[in-house]
Amino acid sequence: GDSVTQMEGPVTLSEEAFLTINCTYTATGYPSLFWYVQYPGEGLQLLLKATKADDKGSNKGFEATYRKETTSFHLEKGSVQVSDSAVYFCALNNAGNMLTFGGGTRLMVKP
Amino acid sequence: DSGVTQTPKHLITATGQRVTLRCSPRSGDLSVYWYQQSLDQGLQFLIQYYNGEERAKGNILERFSAQQFPDLHSELNLSSLELGDSALYFCASLAGADYGELFFGEGSRLTVL
Repeated sequence: GDSVTQMEGPVTLSEEAFLTINCTYTATGYPSLFWYVQYPGEGLQLLLKATKADDKGSNKGFEATYRKETTSFHLEKGSVQVSDSAVYFCALNNAGNMLTFGGGTRLMVKP
Repeated sequence: DSGVTQTPKHLITATGQRVTLRCSPRSGDLSVYWYQQSLDQGLQFLIQYYNGEERAKGNILERFSAQQFPDLHSELNLSSLELGDSALYFCASLAGADYGELFFGEGSRLTVL
């Protein structure tokens, strides 16, 4: 079946550092890919998405490119802020009615 | 605001009790999903309803049940509660067609003492 694997956290960075959170997936066909963010005490919010190979999703300075050849969708940000501290979830939807989530990666940004 | 409404936001109860969590999906969304998020775990998919009918089942315990009503709101019933049932319970609705994203409510935090 479909699966999503994320790097384990926590990831601890200083403010203005470069962020990469790795995400790889296993799926047949051509799934849509998503990154969700969960701030402390809140529900999950869609951060960005990509629906086909080579698409780049971007939002709030975060980017991720749908790489079919490496089955990856790594999340990047050039300069993180303390306010980016949250848990990030990678997910896919493979033409079904369900999203498959990775285990989540906690990001902690220190001033 | 995702448009998905969940009540109650917080709930404290005792072992052995029964609780009902309620969810209203976004206007126009026919699917409702329930997820459980424990402190040390990721998101565990429980169950999905589509237009009143059960569509998919995940790791849902027999003590738990859900339904979706004609007005599309959904309820998750948790009975014979145990300490390990303490968790955040999220409801989500699916946007549009098959490749769409989920919109999540803010969750119901259940504490079982």
